[in-house]
Amino acid sequence: DAKTTQPPSMDCAEGRAANLPCNHSTISGNEYVYWYRQIHSQGPQYIIHGLKNNETNEMASLIITEDRKSSTLILPHATLRDTAVYYCIVRVTYSGGGADGLTFGKGTHLIIQP
Amino acid sequence: ETGVTQTPRHLVMGMTNKKSLKCEQHLGHNAMYWYKQSAKKPLELMFVYSLEERVENNSVPSRFSPECPNSSHLFLHLHTLQPEDSALYLCASSQGREGYYHGYTFGSGTRLTVV
Repeated sequence: DAKTTQPPSMDCAEGRAANLPCNHSTISGNEYVYWYRQIHSQGPQYIIHGLKNNETNEMASLIITEDRKSSTLILPHATLRDTAVYYCIVRVTYSGGGADGLTFGKGTHLIIQP
Repeated sequence: ETGVTQTPRHLVMGMTNKKSLKCEQHLGHNAMYWYKQSAKKPLELMFVYSLEERVENNSVPSRFSPECPNSSHLFLHLHTLQPEDSALYLCASSQGREGYYHGYTFGSGTRLTVV
């Protein structure tokens, strides 16, 4: 799986958009970008994933640059409950083996300020 | 509730005790995983089970013994642990099939303290 680089921490004001960057310059053509988040002392939660087109769901939007070497997760109207560690993970969707664990880095600790 | 249930939520055990962590999923997934999360460290993948067969064991000490009796249940048997094994133990499940992606679903974890 390609390596990702994320800032260790970020602050965002409540009600504003939170933009979390991720660099993945060694991403290969069949690798997707996934975002998960982990609220304190809970298990990680899937947010969104994409290949090359921008994606949006009820939780967030994912913007992937045209060269696919970086991406941004956008939480459009951050709330205090969005305070969490956000992980950007790059990997193929299906490894062919039927099971393949996710590899987590240190992520970005997003703190939403009231 | 995520669909992956872990019990107990908290566990305190002595170094000579034997205990087991339990994970249960009713999402119809065919793969299950154990992760360890120590303080201020990234999640570490411990074991992977696919269709009840262990497919990965990331150099985990033998004092951790997994068991997957069926596709819905996963156990982690613990014996003669060390204080440094204190951590949050997370279970996850996924559907490993090409073209079918629902992501990995994690439980809320068991907070283990070894005294």
